[in-house]
Amino acid sequence: AQSVTQLDSQVPVFEEAPVELRCNYSSSVSVYLFWYVQYPNQGLQLLLKYLSGSTLVKGINGFEAEFNKSQTSFHLRKPSVHISDTAEYFCAGILTGGGNKLTFGTGTQLKVEL
Amino acid sequence: DADVTQTPRNRITKTGKRIMLECSQTKGHDRMYWYRQDPGLGLRLIYYSFDVKDINKGEISDGYSVSRQAQAKFSLSLESAIPNQTALYFCATGGSSYNEQFFGPGTRLTVL
Repeated sequence: AQSVTQLDSQVPVFEEAPVELRCNYSSSVSVYLFWYVQYPNQGLQLLLKYLSGSTLVKGINGFEAEFNKSQTSFHLRKPSVHISDTAEYFCAGILTGGGNKLTFGTGTQLKVEL
Repeated sequence: DADVTQTPRNRITKTGKRIMLECSQTKGHDRMYWYRQDPGLGLRLIYYSFDVKDINKGEISDGYSVSRQAQAKFSLSLESAIPNQTALYFCATGGSSYNEQFFGPGTRLTVL
């Protein structure tokens, strides 16, 4: 079955430290991959997306992700986090042959501390 | 103005009541979606519509129904609400290509 897996439910990190949020997808999922961010009491906002082309994708707010086909991963990284990055982050992929339907991971809560 | 709006933003109701959540969009997208979010489960697809005459069940459609009144409007109904339908509900829209979806602010529903 197609799936997107986020390995960490919570990631605590100190301000200005680097962070990596992990995401793996099942090999049957089409390689259309997305990272969304949800700030408290808000909807989801797109951070970045991989559709094709360069495997290193840069997004908003200094985030980037690398598509790794051999490891079926799409990990999200930021070299230096801010308090304002505290939010829940969702990895998502589009199902093979199913049109524009997203399969979401279970989310990773990033908590940035002083 | 927001591109995707949802009403109401918060709703408390009782078991057995019928309720409707509404979604409107100004992005001109053909595709619209309803998701529910539960802690630790991420977002799960309830129903989706690729145009006004096309309605499809998602992975968790039992207990829900939808209506696509126009390209810009997509409503979700709970015919007889039950407590395990307490969740955060999101509407989203998408273009016709394999591209991102745009989400509304969510409706927090509590069924007592």
